Amino acid sequence: KAGVTQTPRYLIKTRGQQVTLSCSPISGHRSVSWYQQTPGQGLQFLFEYFSETQRNKGNFPGRFSGRQFSNSRSEMNVSTLELGDSALYLCASTWDGIGELFFGEGSRLTVL
Amino acid sequence: AQKITQTQPGMFVQEKEAVTLDCTYDTSDQSYGLFWYKQPSSGEMIFLIYQGSYDEQNATEGRYSLNFQKARKSANLVISASQLGDSAMYFCAMRPRAATGSGGSNYKLTFGKGTLLTVNP
Repeated sequence: KAGVTQTPRYLIKTRGQQVTLSCSPISGHRSVSWYQQTPGQGLQFLFEYFSETQRNKGNFPGRFSGRQFSNSRSEMNVSTLELGDSALYLCASTWDGIGELFFGEGSRLTVL
Repeated sequence: AQKITQTQPGMFVQEKEAVTLDCTYDTSDQSYGLFWYKQPSSGEMIFLIYQGSYDEQNATEGRYSLNFQKARKSANLVISASQLGDSAMYFCAMRPRAATGSGGSNYKLTFGKGTLLTVNP
């Protein structure tokens, strides 16, 4: 059974650009959540989607957005990138959003 | 609001010995779940063990056990017979177990800052 797949694994952007990260959950999982991990702030919740609906959103500015498609795949977008957006972005999936989360290997974003 | 505290930034243990990683939490929820995850240098978060707040027995999964003391609000992870491959960051996390539709808070994990475990040969 394939795990959670995140693409791209590594990317470098410059300030002001935008970025889109993709997450394919484990087959059958309908909930996808996103977390940002930085050395200073640790792991912080971004948002969670279930059946294409956002059910919860963390305390991040509107530059951070996401969506989920009918096949449960999810994307997150960060517009007008800032240096502080440099982080490891982790996607996790679960069947219903309540069980244990299965994480991908993350997308490591560097903003120059 | 929920809060997880891991007071040990780093821990060292000799191979084959046991080690305890500390985790304390604070929550006003009556029902909640506690999780431990391992993060190797590759970045992937690996689920280790889960404890529900109303579970009467401490959770165990192979070499991992969770020392749950509800009154003290602690959920320490015990790793027995440490192996070199156990060297990694370890995160304690929690989530309320309120019913679906409670505002979405039960879909969010709150993590501690983590403990870096190094297993020496």
